[in-house]
Amino acid sequence: AQSVTQLDSQVPVFEEAPVELRCNYSSSVSVYLFWYVQYPNQGLQLLLKYLSGSTLVESINGFEAEFNKSQTSFHLRKPSVHISDTAEYFCAVSTSQGGSEKLVFGKGTKLTVNP
Amino acid sequence: EAEVAQSPRYKITEKSQAVAFWCDPISGHATLYWYRQILGQGPELLVQFQDESVVDDSQLPKDRFSAERLKGVDSTLKIQPAELGDSAMYLCASSLAGGIEQYFGPGTRLTVT
Repeated sequence: AQSVTQLDSQVPVFEEAPVELRCNYSSSVSVYLFWYVQYPNQGLQLLLKYLSGSTLVESINGFEAEFNKSQTSFHLRKPSVHISDTAEYFCAVSTSQGGSEKLVFGKGTKLTVNP
Repeated sequence: EAEVAQSPRYKITEKSQAVAFWCDPISGHATLYWYRQILGQGPELLVQFQDESVVDDSQLPKDRFSAERLKGVDSTLKIQPAELGDSAMYLCASSLAGGIEQYFGPGTRLTVT
């Protein structure tokens, strides 16, 4: 069975500082990997995804994540954060089981960007 | 841009009462998911539909929870009777048949008192 570990439950940083949110997964089969962002009392928005090909994937708002198969990791990074990046971030793994996709989420990392 | 719709956005109910949530997926999305997200946790799948059929309900507490998608479009999740531990965010998501990417609605925040 798949599982996702987000190593940090809370990450406080100052505005314009770099940030890394860590994610490790376990799976015995090929996986697809996702990062979702959730603002207070809202649903999840897809931030970026790794399906195949280049191991470095980027979002439109400056986040990037690198798939590392040997370390079973998919860490999320941003070189310079903004106040508006304050939110909760969820890493998720998906595998195809019986023809349907199953998403398994980590427990989330709450990113707080301080002025 | 098409979105997943959910209602109500917030619901407060007393213990032992019945409660229902509604979800309308993105048009054309055959697969519909209901997740429960307890405060401070990631979402956990409750039930998955392919058209009107249940594909996976292994994590649905069937003694009190039920879900239906009668015409293969919108869906209702019901809890009867509600318990204090049911307080959570209930998220609906949809995807194309066989699609990898799931699109989430805004969720229903349930508080059981």
